[in-house]
Amino acid sequence: QLQLQESGPGLVKPSETLSLTCTVSGGSISSSSYYWGWIRQPPGKGLEWIGSIYYSGSTYYNPSLKSRVTISVDTSKNQFSLKLSSVTAADTAVYYCARTPGGIVDSVGWGQGTLVTVSS
Amino acid sequence: DIQMTQSPSSLSASVGDRVTITCRASQGISNSLAWYQQKPGKAPKLLLYAASRLESGVPSRFSGSGSGTDYTLTISSLQPEDFATYYCQQYYSTPLLTFGGGTKVEIK
Repeated sequence: QLQLQESGPGLVKPSETLSLTCTVSGGSISSSSYYWGWIRQPPGKGLEWIGSIYYSGSTYYNPSLKSRVTISVDTSKNQFSLKLSSVTAADTAVYYCARTPGGIVDSVGWGQGTLVTVSS
Repeated sequence: DIQMTQSPSSLSASVGDRVTITCRASQGISNSLAWYQQKPGKAPKLLLYAASRLESGVPSRFSGSGSGTDYTLTISSLQPEDFATYYCQQYYSTPLLTFGGGTKVEIK
């Protein structure tokens, strides 16, 4: 059974860089033609797609975040990572990693989510 | 990029009611639309994809329709476990994805 698990600091200071890693188990990140992505949800608000990466390293970002986002993949560790620079309180959110076959996140394709708070 | 506008943002309904949620894309998305249900503290759950195809295990009271830019999610007879927030999502421009703003379905 595929599982995705986010990890990283739960508290980040304003202007610093938020870094999260998603570890994939139960399947190889490079064995299938899937995109792997990050989606966030500020408290009490809706879902926002941040960006996605193919196992080969091709990346696609939300235009509204593109200048601050870097997504990378480490196939040897079966992980992909998110870096969001120059964070503000508006970046406080639950961050989900996800597998997005064909652009859809199916029932096994979500991580449990991790809350990242931006505060001094 | 494609924008998704969902309405209403919230609604109150009773058990047994028929509920309809709409989603409008800023351009045609050729039925490349998914619907998700999210309950507090949980990741979203896929309900339908390709506008009208029911995900395995999802009750048949959920249905989807639409074409071009306009799509609807219908719950034919609202059940207590259906009180949640629903999101549409376009994947026409995959891997670039866009979610609607969400519709919170509350108990009347």
